[in-house]
Amino acid sequence: AQSVTQLGSHVSVSEGALVLLRCNYSSSVPPYLFWYVQYPNQGLQLLLKYTSAATLVKGINGFEAEFKKSETSFHLTKPSAHMSDAAEYFCAVSGRAGNNRKLIWGLGTSLAVNP
Amino acid sequence: EAGVAQSPRYKIIEKRQSVAFWCNPISGHATLYWYQQILGQGPKLLIQFQNNGVVDDSQLPKDRFSAERLKGVDSTLKIQPAKLEDSAVYLCASSLAGGLVSNYEQYFGPGTRLTVT
Repeated sequence: AQSVTQLGSHVSVSEGALVLLRCNYSSSVPPYLFWYVQYPNQGLQLLLKYTSAATLVKGINGFEAEFKKSETSFHLTKPSAHMSDAAEYFCAVSGRAGNNRKLIWGLGTSLAVNP
Repeated sequence: EAGVAQSPRYKIIEKRQSVAFWCNPISGHATLYWYQQILGQGPKLLIQFQNNGVVDDSQLPKDRFSAERLKGVDSTLKIQPAKLEDSAVYLCASSLAGGLVSNYEQYFGPGTRLTVT
């Protein structure tokens, strides 16, 4: 069975500061890992995904995430926060074949960016 | 390329009433998903279609929820009768089908916010 834990339901940073959103996963099979962003009153948009190529994955809007198998982590980072980054961020995991392809979602982390 | 379309965007109903949501996926996307997202939680998959067939409806409360995708394109999700705990955002997503992981990337619509009073 697969699961995702996002540490911290709310994160607040100052504009220009480092953004770090934590995601740990549990999977009995090699996983695919995803980060999605949800702006207020909008659907979910894919930020980036890990599919077993490079462990450091770069996404849109300056975000990146590093897959660390030894730590079962896939933390999302951005060097310098912008006001427009304020949103809900979801980490998700899936397997690679058959029924394991279903996305399993974390509870989300709400990011606030202070001026 | 047009995105996933959903309507209505907002709906307020009283408990025990019925409601229907509509979704039109991205053209050519064979797989369609309906999710329920309760405030403060991640999305919960209700049902997944591959063309007009159901792949997974294990978390769909079948006593009150139903969904169809008759022609393998657009889809409707219905709740009858609604309960207070059905208040949530209902998200529709679509993806291509195939062997490459990129074909499983899900594209989401804006969602329908349902309030049951």
